[in-house]
Amino acid sequence: QSVLTQVPSASGTPGQRVTIYCFGSSSNIGSRYVYWFQQLPGTAPKLLIYRNNQRPSGVPDRFSGSKSGTSASLAISGLRSEDEADYYCATWDDSLSGQVFGGGTKLTVL
Amino acid sequence: EVQVVESGGGLVQPGGSLRLSCGSSGFTFGDFWMTWVRQAPGKGLEWVANINRDGSEKNYVGSVKGRFTISRDNAKNSLYLQMNSLRAEDTAVYYCARGGADCGDDCYWGQGTLVTVSS
Repeated sequence: QSVLTQVPSASGTPGQRVTIYCFGSSSNIGSRYVYWFQQLPGTAPKLLIYRNNQRPSGVPDRFSGSKSGTSASLAISGLRSEDEADYYCATWDDSLSGQVFGGGTKLTVL
Repeated sequence: EVQVVESGGGLVQPGGSLRLSCGSSGFTFGDFWMTWVRQAPGKGLEWVANINRDGSEKNYVGSVKGRFTISRDNAKNSLYLQMNSLRAEDTAVYYCARGGADCGDDCYWGQGTLVTVSS
C-alpha cells in the first residue's frame, strides 16, 4: 500500500488530453514539492516534472503538472503512442522522514 | 554527459550479503545528494535510502533499517549500498539516482542492477 495514491490505469486515444492524479496528505504533498517520473517499458524512470509544475529541458510542453492542497496531477495533452508508459508521482514525507512514491499509473494509448 | 552506472547485482541466498556500487561521471559528484530506489519485478518504485553530500546524513526506508548501509566516496565519484541479511522481498532492480527528494531538474537515474534473493 503506497503512501501516495494513484489510479492504477488510465487510457486515451491519440490527440486526447489525459490527466493522472496523485493523492497524499499534509505530511507529504501538502507541504512538499511533487515530482513526476515516466517509465517507458523496459527502461529506467525519467524525470518528467519537478517542483510541482516545472519541466526539465527536453520534456515537451504537452506535459504539465499542478498541485492543490494534498493532491497533484499530471496532464498530457495531444496524446501520442510514445506516451504509453508508467507514471509515478513522488515527494518527501515528513512523518516518515523518507521519500515516497505513488503506486504508479499505467497509461495506455488506444 | 551525465552518467551513473550501477553494478554488483546478482543472485544471493536468503540471509546473504551483497554490495552494490554506483559509479558516476559528467558532473561533480560531491555536490549532490544521492539516492537508491528499487523496483520489485512487476511492481512500483520504492525509495530505499539517501545520503547527503559529505556522507554525514543518511536516511532509510523502515524495511531496510539495520540491514542496509548507504555510503559514498567522493574521491572515487562512487555511491554504495551494503545489503546484509537479505530477504526474498529485497529482490528488485536497484537504481542509483543523482539528487535527493528535492533534486530539482538535477534528478538523473541509472539503468539499474538486478538483485535476486533466492535459494
